[in-house]
Amino acid sequence: DSGVTQTPKHLITATGQRVTLRCSPRSGDLSVYWYQQSLDQGLQFLIQYYNGEERAKGNILERFSAQQFPDLHSELNLSSLELGDSALYFCASSVGAASGNTIYFGEGSWLTVV
Amino acid sequence: GIQVEQSPPDLILQEGANSTLRCNLSDSVNNLQWFHQNPWGQLINLFYIPSGTKQNGRLSATTVATERYSLLYISSSQTTDSGVYFCAGGAPAYSGAGSYQLTFGKGTKLSVIP
Repeated sequence: DSGVTQTPKHLITATGQRVTLRCSPRSGDLSVYWYQQSLDQGLQFLIQYYNGEERAKGNILERFSAQQFPDLHSELNLSSLELGDSALYFCASSVGAASGNTIYFGEGSWLTVV
Repeated sequence: GIQVEQSPPDLILQEGANSTLRCNLSDSVNNLQWFHQNPWGQLINLFYIPSGTKQNGRLSATTVATERYSLLYISSSQTTDSGVYFCAGGAPAYSGAGSYQLTFGKGTKLSVIP
């Protein structure tokens, strides 16, 4: 158990819908990351937050947005869903924001768009 | 961004055999992590190893930062070692210091047969 908690674990939804994935980082970690794992793209970085502030954006679509709340939990919002958005979405956390930190991953949220 | 190449892409081992997985990086990184993704999709941290050698039970890893590669050794393999092993290089995201992203390789799929 990494200490990073993600909900829901599994989600099936229809095209065009909107979903929210939730993440609680490890106790004491201030930085939260979102990654997407799909069969064709592999594991890709989406976005990083540190103590409520957006720090970096990767290959995140405009239909997707995220935020980190004052209690440090984070949410990833996916809207106007398409079949290609079906993937395993990981949240991860680390103590600091810089690259000398170990990143720990949650168990992921499986999203299936039908 | 950096490129991470892993070899071999697939590996089949008899239980009890040893193996070496390789990770090559296109550029210098501030850190390097090895992960094991089990058949249920969980990404488990194995090593945080920007340089040097570490051992944890039957697993050990060596990173030669000056030559931009890392090796993961698995000894006396067991069926529970099956899954995909990922190497990821960490560096500041485009936004510079205080930002961070891990770039993952495509993984080595390991199957250990009894």
